Amino acid sequence: RKEVEQDPGPFNVPEGATVAFNCTYSNSASQSFFWYRQDCRKEPKLLMSVYSSGNEDGRFTAQLNRASQYISLLIRDSKLSDSATYLCVPFKAAGNKLTFGGGTRVLVKP
Amino acid sequence: NAGVTQTPKFQVLKTGQSMTLQCAQDMNHNSMYWYRQDPGMGLRLIYYSASEGTTDKGEVPNGYNVSRLNKREFSLRLESAAPSQTSVYFCASSEGTKYEQYFGPGTRLTVT
Repeated sequence: RKEVEQDPGPFNVPEGATVAFNCTYSNSASQSFFWYRQDCRKEPKLLMSVYSSGNEDGRFTAQLNRASQYISLLIRDSKLSDSATYLCVPFKAAGNKLTFGGGTRVLVKP
Repeated sequence: NAGVTQTPKFQVLKTGQSMTLQCAQDMNHNSMYWYRQDPGMGLRLIYYSASEGTTDKGEVPNGYNVSRLNKREFSLRLESAAPSQTSVYFCASSEGTKYEQYFGPGTRLTVT
């Protein structure tokens, strides 16, 4: 099983709609999680950090389910500018590094 | 603050040539990283430096060397470039290895 698995998508989302997608991780010892967004041919940019059960920042909500070993990202009231690839990144202390998922592509359409 | 800067932005090399990719950060971060990203694939860690004076191998270190010149700068060297090293290279930094990382704009390298 891969350390981090994400549905590559694309998730086609009408503007204004809500979209949610999951990221599953294999290492139950993962301590914290990060969501990054990456635009085409650009660098990843930090969207949100999750150190406990979840986090919310405006239209974005992350929920962590440690029992089932997945973390979700929900985007409400989608904007055209939300079109990007969203990378899930768990941190595990062993190895002392982040592991990047392959990303979920989201396309918001008018 | 510029954050993380990388030079050059683009580079074309012939097989066997060498080059050094430069990275600098102005956030006073302790940890720095080099990743490569190939089309349709995730980021793969090449090398990282948890703190000034230390470097460690990541997932794909073969064919690369690194130098943590000082707290600000972390360079990546390709001694003898190969077509398989055609990729986009990202440098990143963080306060410590368990904290969020901030990325530079990337270097697009083509080896012919």
